[in-house]
Amino acid sequence: QSALTQPASVSGSPGQSITISCTGTSSDVGGYTYVSWYQQYPGKAPKLMIYDVSERPPGVSYRFSASKSGNTASLTISGLQAEDEADYYCSSYAITNTYVFGTGTKVTVL
Amino acid sequence: QVQLVQSGPEVQKPGASVKVSCEASGYMFTNYYMHWVRQAPGQGLEWMGIINPSDGSAAHAQNFQGRVTMTRDTSTSTFYMELSSLSPEDTAVYYCARANRMRTWFDPWGQGTLVTVSS
Repeated sequence: QSALTQPASVSGSPGQSITISCTGTSSDVGGYTYVSWYQQYPGKAPKLMIYDVSERPPGVSYRFSASKSGNTASLTISGLQAEDEADYYCSSYAITNTYVFGTGTKVTVL
Repeated sequence: QVQLVQSGPEVQKPGASVKVSCEASGYMFTNYYMHWVRQAPGQGLEWMGIINPSDGSAAHAQNFQGRVTMTRDTSTSTFYMELSSLSPEDTAVYYCARANRMRTWFDPWGQGTLVTVSS
């Protein structure tokens, strides 16, 4: 199972919106509504930000939203803040009961 | 609250094995599967496998077939991941992460265990 493809880096100014893409295949992202997104600060464990394509867990800011179209999922951060600077990973359930992560995206707040 | 506490850092020689533990608390142990994920230095996340705490059955990523063993001890609410035939490429932080009921996402995560493989 190959890793899902994400841009290596995305940047934006405070207050702006940015979008991170996550491209897979019909065997993972395109085949299931089981895409999730994780935020990771350096030296820390990942934190769930979005599950089942577009659902936000309790406590996650409304500024984080997500969607999916075909084989590509997307995470949007609106009203970008300094605290959003981190690495972001998508993940998907895949055929044959496996799971795959994205290559990761470093978000920089300018 | 749900907590996953992992064992401390390890240094192993090439060819050796390592066993990482993950003690779960704050929920019914047998109700939720557990994933294992690793992250090499400066690299992304890599799914290793998942274990059913009820019967101990496990599924592994193809990359680790034959080298990884996932077990659990229901008496202590602890999961274990053992990786054998270590090489320097196995140097990574290893995480346990609880699956949700439908096993579609990972939450919460343990704090991670650094395993260093060096001669």
